[in-house]
Amino acid sequence: RKEVEQDPGPFNVPEGATVAFNCTYSNSASQSFFWYRQDCRKEPKLLMSVYSSGNEDGRFTAQLNRASQYISLLIRDSKLSDSATYLCVVNQAGTALIFGKGTTLSVSS
Amino acid sequence: GAVVSQHPSRVICKSGTSVKIECRSLDFQATTMFWYRQFPKKSLMLMATSNEGSKATYEQGVEKDKFLINHASLTLSTLTVTSAHPEDSSFYICSAWGTKQGEAEKLFFGSGTQLSVL
Repeated sequence: RKEVEQDPGPFNVPEGATVAFNCTYSNSASQSFFWYRQDCRKEPKLLMSVYSSGNEDGRFTAQLNRASQYISLLIRDSKLSDSATYLCVVNQAGTALIFGKGTTLSVSS
Repeated sequence: GAVVSQHPSRVICKSGTSVKIECRSLDFQATTMFWYRQFPKKSLMLMATSNEGSKATYEQGVEKDKFLINHASLTLSTLTVTSAHPEDSSFYICSAWGTKQGEAEKLFFGSGTQLSVL
């Protein structure tokens, strides 16, 4: 079983749509959780950290369910510029990040 | 603020040659750096953890004699792909934990190196 699993997509949505990505992780000792965004052949960029209480940053909402070892990302009012690959990431303190395969989002006009 | 500089950004080489990739931490000291590899449409896979002044820790399945890692200073780690072959063609990226003023520690990434072996 892979450490971090995501639905690879692609998700093809029109502008303005709401889209949700899901992720599961296998290591119950994982302590930190993130969503990264990666554009083609670029370094990944931190989108947001994910907290147990859930957190929101503008159009982006992240949720964490430790009991189910499940992480989600909701994007509202999708923009063309949101087109990218979204990476679910987990780690233990001070160690390397473990990346999911990524979910590809394509937003069209 | 904390930035990780990686060079070169792109390398095209002949099969059998060796390629060195440099990763420098700017404005902060990185006792630990991480090297990842990403094949097209695949996830970033951790190759090894580079420790300043000691041997790197390699992930299972990564050949330490093929992917030589040197971390001789607190700001520089290098990855050398020895005797590169076409199957080594990939996107290589380094990262290190660092802090920007007033912010919590987070992982910063180099801009990556696209290696193409002919």
